[in-house]
Amino acid sequence: AQKITQTQPGMFVQEKEAVTLDCTYDTSDQSYGLFWYKQPSSGEMIFLIYQGSYDEQNATEGRYSLNFQKARKSANLVISASQLGDSAMYFCAMSLTTSGTYKYIFGTGTRLKVLA
Amino acid sequence: DAGVTQSPTHLIKTRGQQVTLRCSPKSGHDTVSWYQQALGQGPQFIFQYYEEEERQRGNFPDRFSGHQFPNYSSELNVNALLLGDSALYLCASSLRRTGRTETQYFGPGTRLLVL
Repeated sequence: AQKITQTQPGMFVQEKEAVTLDCTYDTSDQSYGLFWYKQPSSGEMIFLIYQGSYDEQNATEGRYSLNFQKARKSANLVISASQLGDSAMYFCAMSLTTSGTYKYIFGTGTRLKVLA
Repeated sequence: DAGVTQSPTHLIKTRGQQVTLRCSPKSGHDTVSWYQQALGQGPQFIFQYYEEEERQRGNFPDRFSGHQFPNYSSELNVNALLLGDSALYLCASSLRRTGRTETQYFGPGTRLLVL
């Protein structure tokens, strides 16, 4: 079954500290993409970072990095130097394109609270 | 560069009514996907439109239908509304590329409340 699992419903982190949000995925496809999105209370899903299944290096975007461990099927998001504005829901998602069909699967999310 | 826009932002309907939600994709994008996000859950894929046709559909009943226009904008229609249809409806746009993963960009969503 194709699935994204986020086991941390909520996380706290002190301002300026780093935090890791966990994500594991399940698919038998060889080609897939992994994404992280941030959803503030306003509701909009903000794209943060992307990792392709064939990418050998971990993706980085500013303070965000994706710790991709293909053999373990994990794609954890690391936020360095947390800021108060990082408080939000974070969703891990997987994109699959097989035989012209399309799937975009989201996890249940992790709520991050940054403490001053 | 305009991002994905959605209208209206909020909507209140009663059971049995019909609703139409609208989405304009990010400039340069040709594919629109719709998602339903219930409170406290992740988004669930409803369907995707490309070249004015529904290309893929999630596990949603026929009460959910859509349309894509020549300018790539899209509508989501829901008939015979149920209380359980209350949710945040998200539109996402992307550029379709053969054999490559598409990054989706989301709009601010429409919050639908069914009473």
